[in-house]
This record gives sequence, structure tokens and C-alpha cells, in this order.
Amino acid sequence: AQTVTQSQPEMSVQEAETVTLSCTYDTSESNYYLFWYKQPPSRQMILVIRQEAYKQQNATENRFSVNFQKAAKSFSLKISDSQLGDTAMYFCAYLSQKLVFGQGTRLTINP
Amino acid sequence: SAVISQKPSRDICQRGTSLTIQCQVDSQVTMMFWYRQQPGQSLTLIATANQGSEATYESGFVIDKFPISRPNLTFSTLTVSNMSPEDSSIYLCSVEEAKSYNEQFFGPGTRLTVL
Repeated sequence: AQTVTQSQPEMSVQEAETVTLSCTYDTSESNYYLFWYKQPPSRQMILVIRQEAYKQQNATENRFSVNFQKAAKSFSLKISDSQLGDTAMYFCAYLSQKLVFGQGTRLTINP
Repeated sequence: SAVISQKPSRDICQRGTSLTIQCQVDSQVTMMFWYRQQPGQSLTLIATANQGSEATYESGFVIDKFPISRPNLTFSTLTVSNMSPEDSSIYLCSVEEAKSYNEQFFGPGTRLTVL
């Protein structure tokens, strides 16, 4: 079964800093999708960014970018110029047959 | 993306009772899913709600405990039956649109507390 591991339960940075959240996954599939979701205290899950495994180019969405290393099965999220509104739980997720989530990283942006 | 609403947003229930959670989407979607998020935990897929047929349940979840309906392409319900305190969780529905390239969008969730 596919598994997703986020090794950082909590992280805290100052506003405007850059922060990188780690994610590794285990799969024998060659074609799949990877996602980062954000869950603020309001609990609404928001899709931050997606990556198709067959694409070598790393996805970017404004201040959010990923470092996708397929051979290493690594999918980290970089948040540049962090803002107070980035404070949330961040979940890495893998999709092949179904969506499998990591345990989450609680990110706090301090003023 | 589709706008998803859930009712109720939260509820406190007594042990042994049942609660039905509704998920309404503002447009027709191909896929609908139900997830459970236990306190401080990640999300776990309960089942895929299939339009016009029985839901497809994941390992560890059974129809008698979590009956699901999906009468059309915009609506689904999840019932949590014969509840115990261990059922206290956030229950979320999600949808996948045909145009969304495997992206799932989530509803706001229902926070259930069982006493």
C-alpha cells in the first residue's frame, strides 16, 4: 500500500522568511499525482499545488513551489515570503487509485 | 472549482444514535468521496459515493456503520450509525470534477462529538 510520510510535525518561522516542508512517499507505481493541501484553523481544506509524476518540471503557484525528486520519492513544498495567513496544517497527498494523506505539518508564521 | 456545502457544520450526539451528514455541490461532479479526520490526525478515505449504485468502501469501513447515498450528481449523504465516542471526528466530503485533472476539492467538514 502507498504511504506518505511527513517527518516534521510542527514548524515555526518568522513572517517573510522562506520555509520548506518535507514529504516522502512509497509507491511502486510509475504514474501518479502529488498534492499539497492547506487546512487553516477554520478546517476548510484548500488545494495549494499539484504535481504530475510524469512531469519533470517542478510545479509553481505564486509563492508556493515544489521540489519533486521522483527517484528519491520526495516532494517538498517551499513557501517563499511567508505570510501570517499561511499559518495552517499542511498535508502532502498521493493519488494513484485513491488519495492518501500524510500526517501533516503544523506551520506557524510568527509576526 | 465547485462550491461544496455540508450540513450540519457540527453536532453533539448521544451514544447509540445516528447522524446523517449532507453534502451538496453547486454543479454536477463525476466523483464524490467521504473522509474522516480524527482529532489531531490526518484524513482517511471512508468510501467513494457512486451515483445510482452502492458506495465503494475502504478497508476498515462497512456499509452497516457508514451507509452512504448518492441519488444524483450534486448530492450525497453519509450516515454514522450507532455512534460511540470513537466516532468523534470531522467528516469531510470531497468532489472531483471531470475537468479538474484528478484534483479533489473539499467541503467545510462536519465536526461530530459523541458523548
